[in-house]
Amino acid sequence: GNSVTQMEGPVTLSEEAFLTINCTYTATGYPSLFWYVQYPGEGLQLLLKATKADDKGSNKGFEATYRKETTSFHLEKGSVQVSDSAVYFCAFRGNSGYSTLTFGKGTMLLVSP
Amino acid sequence: NAGVTQTPKFQVLKTGQSMTLQCAQDMNHEYMSWYRQDPGMGLRLIHYSVGAGITDQGEVPNGYNVSRSTTEDFPLRLLSAAPSQTSVYFCASSRDGRETQYFGPGTRLLVL
Repeated sequence: GNSVTQMEGPVTLSEEAFLTINCTYTATGYPSLFWYVQYPGEGLQLLLKATKADDKGSNKGFEATYRKETTSFHLEKGSVQVSDSAVYFCAFRGNSGYSTLTFGKGTMLLVSP
Repeated sequence: NAGVTQTPKFQVLKTGQSMTLQCAQDMNHEYMSWYRQDPGMGLRLIHYSVGAGITDQGEVPNGYNVSRSTTEDFPLRLLSAAPSQTSVYFCASSRDGRETQYFGPGTRLLVL
């Protein structure tokens, strides 16, 4: 069935380090792909998205490229900040009708000064 | 716009009690949904609605009821709470099922 797999956390980095959080999906057709971020005590916020193969979503220095051939949507940032500490969720949504979001389990990122 | 609002922020229930988690949005969104978030499980869809008067089940609907009498409101009802329903509940809305979903701040529920 449809699913999202993301790397387990926590991911612990020092400020200004390079970040990669891996995400792969299993789905039929051509889903839309998303990264959501949840800061402590808050709800989820959309970070970036891509709706077709080879699209690159970007926001706040984060990037992810929709790779159809590897069914992946890895999240990257060149230089993390302490304020990036949060839980990051990869998700996809099918493109037929009112398809619902399927989320990964989330990856906690902890950035130390 | 207030966006998506949820009440209460925190609730403690005893097993067997009933309660309603409130969700409202002021963006005139047609699509609304309820998720529960549990450690190590990510978010799982409980119920969703594509418009007033229309609801459907998600991945984990058992023990929960919903109704959608207005576009703005989408309450989630627990008829007889169980400890397994201890979780953080998030409501979300979008213009339609294909657009970006906006999440509320969540309701933390503890069932003793």
